[in-house]
Amino acid sequence: DVKVTQSSRYLVKRTGEKVFLECVQDMDHENMFWYRQDPGLGLRLIYFSYDVKMKEKGDIPEGYSVSREKKERFSLILESASTNQTSMYLCASSLSPQGLHEQFFGPGTRLTVL
Amino acid sequence: KQEVTQIPAALSVPEGENLVLNCSFTDSAIYNLQWFRQDPGKGLTSLLLIQSSQREQTSGRLNASLDKSSGRSTLYIAASQPGDSATYLCAVEDTDKLIFGTGTRLQVFP
Repeated sequence: DVKVTQSSRYLVKRTGEKVFLECVQDMDHENMFWYRQDPGLGLRLIYFSYDVKMKEKGDIPEGYSVSREKKERFSLILESASTNQTSMYLCASSLSPQGLHEQFFGPGTRLTVL
Repeated sequence: KQEVTQIPAALSVPEGENLVLNCSFTDSAIYNLQWFRQDPGKGLTSLLLIQSSQREQTSGRLNASLDKSSGRSTLYIAASQPGDSATYLCAVEDTDKLIFGTGTRLQVFP
């Protein structure tokens, strides 16, 4: 079975802290994605990656960075957390090429920044 | 810029009804369209993927159709059950990313 896991289901951090959200997939997928989901705004793409060491900005990359050192792992980094980054964060992966394969999602991490 | 709209935003029906969820998009140049289900506080579960060259896909009690020229997709759920209660999201793959609608929240009551 396809599996995408995220390191934490719930996370509480303080303003200014550096935060790492980890995502791991066991399907040998090339593509990985980070989204955030907010009421009334839906899912918005933060960053995505087509391959190891590759990264592309999504629609709302400000305040975030990513790291992909291994194919199976894609990390989202909040360099200095702020209260407006309180949200549900969802990781996804898919098999290349684009258009032919569905995206599979992890269970999500609900981050609260105080 | 691609925009995806889902109507209605919320729907409440008695068990056993057949129902239709609607999704519309503004730019017909899409690679595919995907329907997801999301339970409260959880991640997304992929239900159906329709390639741009396809007209429909079926999985069990679910049937999704795609009309690219009119920018519409429908998700048909037959004989609804309380376990179908969830938020249903559609998303179109546009160039290299998915663009999501804001979802339809479905409640099926016994």
